[in-house]
Amino acid sequence: AQTVTQSQPEMSVQEAETVTLSCTYDTSESNYYLFWYKQPPSRQMILVIRQEAYKQQNATENRFSVNFQKAAKSFSLKISDSQLGDTAMYFCAFMNHYSGGGADGLTFGKGTHLIIQP
Amino acid sequence: NAGVTQTPEFQVLKTGQSMTLQCAQDMNHEYMSWYRQDPGMGLRLIHYSVGAGITDQGEVPNGYNVSRSTTEDFPLRLLSAAPSQTSVYFCATSGNYGYTFGSGTRLTVV
Repeated sequence: AQTVTQSQPEMSVQEAETVTLSCTYDTSESNYYLFWYKQPPSRQMILVIRQEAYKQQNATENRFSVNFQKAAKSFSLKISDSQLGDTAMYFCAFMNHYSGGGADGLTFGKGTHLIIQP
Repeated sequence: NAGVTQTPEFQVLKTGQSMTLQCAQDMNHEYMSWYRQDPGMGLRLIHYSVGAGITDQGEVPNGYNVSRSTTEDFPLRLLSAAPSQTSVYFCATSGNYGYTFGSGTRLTVV
């Protein structure tokens, strides 16, 4: 089974600053997907970014980018020009490559509570 | 809009009562799953289904039943609610891009 570790329970930065959230994982698989999900106070789980393990290029979505280090099993999320609306819980998640993730589904870390201060 | 619909949004049960959490999707995804979210625990997989007529257990299946008679629907049943089942429940489907979650059900068992 896989494990996902987020070592920062809470982070706080000023608006417009850049912030990096850490995530490490442990797996014996070579083909998998990694995700970052955002959960605002509304409770909705929102996909922020996804990375396929076979791709060396780091994924980018507007202000959000990842630093994927496969050998180190590290998957950090960088948020540039942070905005008040970025305040939320952020979850790192792992999924095996087969459809839906099979019996493991998505394996989540415990989350990082990110607070953007005005 | 395409997506995953969960009902109800909130529910309070007494210990020993039974209820069904409903989940419907219009994305034509074969894979559906149920998660529970507890404070400080992240989300954990309860049950999943890879298609109509096929279900299996996840990490925390005890106290829950599921069935999958159609591609669209994947209800979660609590047979005899316990305070330990107080949690937020999410239904999710999985397609080519990743998971799509419903808006969640906050369940309190008193």
